[in-house]
Parts: sequence; C-alpha cells; structure tokens
Amino acid sequence: GQNIDQPTEMTATEGAIVQINCTYQTSGFNGLFWYQQHAGEAPTFLSYNVLDGLEEKGRFSSFLSRSKGYSYLLLKELQMKDSASYLCAARNSGYSTLTFGKGTMLLVSP
Amino acid sequence: DGGITQSPKYLFRKEGQNVTLSCEQNLNHDAMYWYRQDPGQGLRLIYYSQIVNDFQKGDIAEGYSVSREKKESFPLTVTSAQKNPTAFYLCASSLAGSETQYFGPGTRLLVL
Repeated sequence: GQNIDQPTEMTATEGAIVQINCTYQTSGFNGLFWYQQHAGEAPTFLSYNVLDGLEEKGRFSSFLSRSKGYSYLLLKELQMKDSASYLCAARNSGYSTLTFGKGTMLLVSP
Repeated sequence: DGGITQSPKYLFRKEGQNVTLSCEQNLNHDAMYWYRQDPGQGLRLIYYSQIVNDFQKGDIAEGYSVSREKKESFPLTVTSAQKNPTAFYLCASSLAGSETQYFGPGTRLLVL
C-alpha cells in the first residue's frame, strides 16, 4: 500500500511562487500525479512524473525524487484562480490504481 | 464533445434505499474507476474496471456494487448496507490502466 503526506493548507500572494510538497511511503511505486481541484468540482490533471527530475509545463512545474520518496509542485506567477486544492497521487505498481493524499488547500490573496 | 458525464449532480437517499449513480464516457477508454471524497479526506477508491464484464474492489468497496456491461458505462449502486453514504462521488476513466485518469464532474449524495 501507499501512504501520502502533504500539507493541509498554504497561503500565498498573487504574483508570488509557491511550492507544495508531497512525500510518499510505498510498497510499490510507479509514478506520481498532481491534480488541481476547485471547490465542488472534479480534479483536473496537472502533471505526471515517473523519472527523477523536473517537468515544466507553463507556470506549473513538478519534481520527483524516487530515492527520497518526495515530490513537489511549483506554481509561479500565482493568480487568484490558482486558489484550489492540489492533490498528490502515487501510482501503485502492478495494476495502476492511484493512492491520493488528502490534498493541500492553497489560498491566493491579492 | 468527448468526455465523462455523471448524473445526477445531486442525489438524495432515504434510509434503507438503494440508489444508482450514473457514469458514462465517450472517450473510448478501457478503464473506469469510482472514488469517494469526504471533507478533509483524499479520494478513496471504491471499485475499478479494466475491461467490460470485469471489475475489482478498491479500498472501500463494502456497501457498494458496480457493473460493467458496456465499455462506455460504469454505474455505481450505493446499497442500504452503506451506513454513511453522504459524500462526493467521482467517476474517472483512462485509456488503459497505465494511463492518466480523467474525472467526471461528480455526484453529491445526501441522506434524508
């Protein structure tokens, strides 16, 4: 099984940079997903890392270190619309079910 | 438009009643999933299906049942055995088990 840990809440200012961390302990691991979820809505896919290193996609970047069981999501040039919950999910080895963390609620203020 | 649809958006259940949540996708995805989300909790897997006529229990399958008679459809029944059904239910699908999962808009189930 998997155990996923991420901070419950974070706050940041419009235009700033914020890093949301995620650690995982697993009996099998096959990649790490980040999803964004606005209140009352479905999660939307942001990124997927299976190899160590940084993946950049516009204002969002995601990093993975398999040896440390650690990932982060980096959001640059924050906008008010980035206020949402960010879900970290580890893909289990074998069949690819996902184990989700509890999510990090990010509040962006003016 | 391709996508995943869930209906209804809100559903009310009376005590002792079974209710069925609909999930349909026209993405030609093989794999489909049902999750439950409670406040302050992550998504928890209820059931998943890799192919038609086959499905597996997730972490919290007790009190739920599913069927997968068609590739496009994966309905979830919340039975009276589920004593705490109030939650946000999310359906997802992926091209194959190894691919990214995409989510439907969700159904919020409330108990009267």
